[in-house]
Amino acid sequence: DSGVTQTPKHLITATGQRVTLRCSPRSGDLSVYWYQQSLDQGLQFLIQYYNGEERAKGNILERFSAQQFPDLHSELNLSSLELGDSALYFCASSGGLAGGHNEQFFGPGTRLTVL
Amino acid sequence: QKEVEQDPGPLSVPEGAIVSLNCTYSNSAFQYFMWYRQYSRKGPELLMYTYSSGNKEDGRFTAQVDKSSKYISLFIRDSQPSDSATYLCAMSVPGTYKYIFGTGTRLKVLA
Repeated sequence: DSGVTQTPKHLITATGQRVTLRCSPRSGDLSVYWYQQSLDQGLQFLIQYYNGEERAKGNILERFSAQQFPDLHSELNLSSLELGDSALYFCASSGGLAGGHNEQFFGPGTRLTVL
Repeated sequence: QKEVEQDPGPLSVPEGAIVSLNCTYSNSAFQYFMWYRQYSRKGPELLMYTYSSGNKEDGRFTAQVDKSSKYISLFIRDSQPSDSATYLCAMSVPGTYKYIFGTGTRLKVLA
């Protein structure tokens, strides 16, 4: 158990809908990262927050948005869902500051199925 | 061309074999090199990380980095059925927390 929790575990929804994925980082970790994992693309970095502020952006679609709240939990919002958004979404957390290696601890993931 | 290339496998080996997993990369600025193990339906977990060229050993695992060739390897000695998983290499972009992951290699160790 990494200490990172994600809810829900599974989500089944229809095209055009909007969903929210939730992540609670390990106790004391200030950074939260979101990743999308699909069979053909592998693990793709979406976005990173550090202590409530956006710090890095990866291949995140405009239909997706995220935020980190004062209690450090984070939410990833996916809207106007398409079939191709079906994937595993992972949250990871780490402590520390940029400039050195900071191990990222991954949560168990949320499996999103868009029908 | 992807920034990080990794053979997807699957790779099947008998128990006790030495396994070699590899990644190549194109960005010479990558700073830290990591290997993650991901069991089915679980999140990735960090196995090893290295910073410089050379070898780093941890039990049955050895990570090797060759920055001049832009090539990293993970060796698993005396492989066990419990090593059956997908192995992902990852590299950090300097000055950021951004990681670039390989697509992963599926390994199956047969008892």
